Amino acid sequence: GQNIDQPTEMTATEGAIVQINCTYQTSGFNGLFWYQQHAGEAPTFLSYNVLDGLEEKGRFSSFLSRSKGYSYLLLKELQMKDSASYLCACLDSNYQLIWGAGTKLIIKP
Amino acid sequence: DAMVIQNPRYQVTQFGKPVTLSCSQTLNHNVMYWYQQKSSQAPKLLFHYYDKDFNNEADTPDNFQSRRPNTSFCFLDIRSPGLGDAAMYLCATSRGQGAVTDTQYFGPGTRLTVL
Repeated sequence: GQNIDQPTEMTATEGAIVQINCTYQTSGFNGLFWYQQHAGEAPTFLSYNVLDGLEEKGRFSSFLSRSKGYSYLLLKELQMKDSASYLCACLDSNYQLIWGAGTKLIIKP
Repeated sequence: DAMVIQNPRYQVTQFGKPVTLSCSQTLNHNVMYWYQQKSSQAPKLLFHYYDKDFNNEADTPDNFQSRRPNTSFCFLDIRSPGLGDAAMYLCATSRGQGAVTDTQYFGPGTRLTVL
C-alpha cells in the first residue's frame, strides 16, 4: 500500500530552527511536495523536490533522499506566524498526490 | 491576480438537503480537483477532471457528484448530506502537463456544516 508518515505534532521556540521529517512508500515516485496549512485555511504550496538534495527558499528548505524514501522540511528563524500544519505529499506513478496527515507545528515565544 | 475561488466559504445545510459547492479558477489550468478534509486529517481526493474527462476515486460515495461545465468552473453536488459529510471541501487546480508543472493550487475551501 501507499503510505506517508510524518510526526503528528512538534513544538519549537520563536527564532529557533525546526526540522519536520517525512517518510514515504508509494507506487512509483514523481516528486514530493510540502504544503503549509493554517487552521481553517487551505494548503499553500511551499516546495517541490524530485531530485536528491536540498532546495533552499528563504527561511524554508526541503531535502529529499529517494533511495531512503525520506524528506525533511527545515524552517529557520521561526516566527509566530509559522504556527501551522505542514503536509507532506508524494506524486505516485499515476501522478496522483498521496498525502500525509500533516505535522502540527506549535511555536512558543 | 490569478486564483482559485470557492463559494461560499461557509455553508450550513440540513441532513438530507442537497447542497452545491462551487469553484472557479482564473489560472486556465487543465485539471480541477475536489478534496474532503476533516479535522487533523489529510485531504482526501474525491474526484478530478482533466479537461472534460472525469475521474472518480474508487471509494468516493455515490452521494457525491461533480460537474465541470467549462474550463473555469467546477461544482460539487452532495445529494443527501449526512452528519459524516461535515468537513472542509477544498478545490484545487493544476496544469496537468507533467510533474514539475503539476503543482496543485488550492482555493480557500468551503466549510460545510450539516445540522
